[in-house]
Amino acid sequence: GAGVSQSPSNKVTEKGKDVELRCDPISGHTALYWYRQRLGQGLEFLIYFQGNSAPDKSGLPSDRFSAERTGESVSTLTIQRTQQEDSAVYLCASSLDESVGAGGREQYFGPGTRLTVT
Amino acid sequence: QKEVEQNSGPLSVPEGAIASLNCTYSDRGSQSFFWYRQYSGKSPELIMSIYSNGDKEDGRFTAQLNKASQYVSLLIRDSQPSDSATYLCAVNAYSSASKIIFGSGTRLSIRP
Repeated sequence: GAGVSQSPSNKVTEKGKDVELRCDPISGHTALYWYRQRLGQGLEFLIYFQGNSAPDKSGLPSDRFSAERTGESVSTLTIQRTQQEDSAVYLCASSLDESVGAGGREQYFGPGTRLTVT
Repeated sequence: QKEVEQNSGPLSVPEGAIASLNCTYSDRGSQSFFWYRQYSGKSPELIMSIYSNGDKEDGRFTAQLNKASQYVSLLIRDSQPSDSATYLCAVNAYSSASKIIFGSGTRLSIRP
């Protein structure tokens, strides 16, 4: 079946502009995660959605970052007033409902969006 | 102390040898443990998951978990050049069972 898809694959924007990144999870996956990965660094957790529960926003680095998810489908990550330090690859992952057991937390990643702020 | 710690490497292993990758975690309540492989410029892909103490084998890969020592490892037997990648250890956060915390990864290089 189809995997996690993300768009755009690359985005170059000027400092101060807003950007919107999109993630389409695997069908049936109720959990969705956003991560940021700077060049040569590990994955930095940003936000987590699980079904209709309130999202875990504890990883968002500032109030310029926000994310939405409609039901169990597409999610968008919005970065307002972009800064050069926002340049990174933004990765989205999805997993099954945790109620199916620990295996439900196995995450499947999309190809990422490479954001460059000039 | 980082929640999930890995040696950044690079770890250089000759082709055909066993590569041993290690990870420690701080949250004693963690229940789910994962190893992901990430090739340069690509997104991570899941290669192993382990949930109970002991060993779990899948082909050339063996994951080992010791909850008492808060330690998880990945062994790769008969290492191949195609195994050269960064290996990420990931652990669920006890406070939020489905929140997964990643280590910064160990870079593995298999030399022919």
